[in-house]
Amino acid sequence: ETGVTQSPTHLIKTRGQQVTLRCSSQSGHNTVSWYQQALGQGPQFIFQYYREEENGRGNFPPRFSGLQFPNYSSELNVNALELDDSALYLCASSSRDRGLDTQYFGPGTRLTVL
Amino acid sequence: DQQVKQNSPSLSVQEGRISILNCDYTNSMFDYFLWYKKYPAEGPTFLISISSIKDKNEDGRFTVFLNKSAKHLSLHIVPSQPGDSAVYFCAASAKMRWGKLQFGAGTQVVVTP
Repeated sequence: ETGVTQSPTHLIKTRGQQVTLRCSSQSGHNTVSWYQQALGQGPQFIFQYYREEENGRGNFPPRFSGLQFPNYSSELNVNALELDDSALYLCASSSRDRGLDTQYFGPGTRLTVL
Repeated sequence: DQQVKQNSPSLSVQEGRISILNCDYTNSMFDYFLWYKKYPAEGPTFLISISSIKDKNEDGRFTVFLNKSAKHLSLHIVPSQPGDSAVYFCAASAKMRWGKLQFGAGTQVVVTP
């Protein structure tokens, strides 16, 4: 079992609303990456935070935003929710000096947009 | 554009036999490749990886092969066990984009008794 937790586990929202998802990082890790996994697809990279700064972004619109806190936990915020935002949102905790093999994923937050 | 492709959405194999999962990529900047295993209601868990400077890496029952010229990698599981039933994802990372993984769509493996 990893030390990466995500909350909430499940969430139901309606179109146009805003949502905040949370992720704790593994002890000793300073990098958090967020991924969106739509049904039947692989995870898609949203963005990465390293030492509280955004460090790379995938092909997602600006209404997807994030934060990383001094304890390296992180939030993903999505504004103006659309039906296509329904997906499993995964965060991954890592540390550059420990290598990608020690990147750990949380269990995910299942977001449903109605 | 899909830079990492897993063209087999599913694979059924008998217990004790070999499972072979395939993955193709298009971006020549990828220099590190990983396989993840995912059970329902859990996040992906790391299985095995390979650097682009190698062509093979083994860890117990799992072996990953990399053919750089063909931009192809495969995961062999020998022997397959019922607990191996899961979705397997291939992922790739480029040196200049550390930790920003590109995933394939996954292959659902079912190991039958």
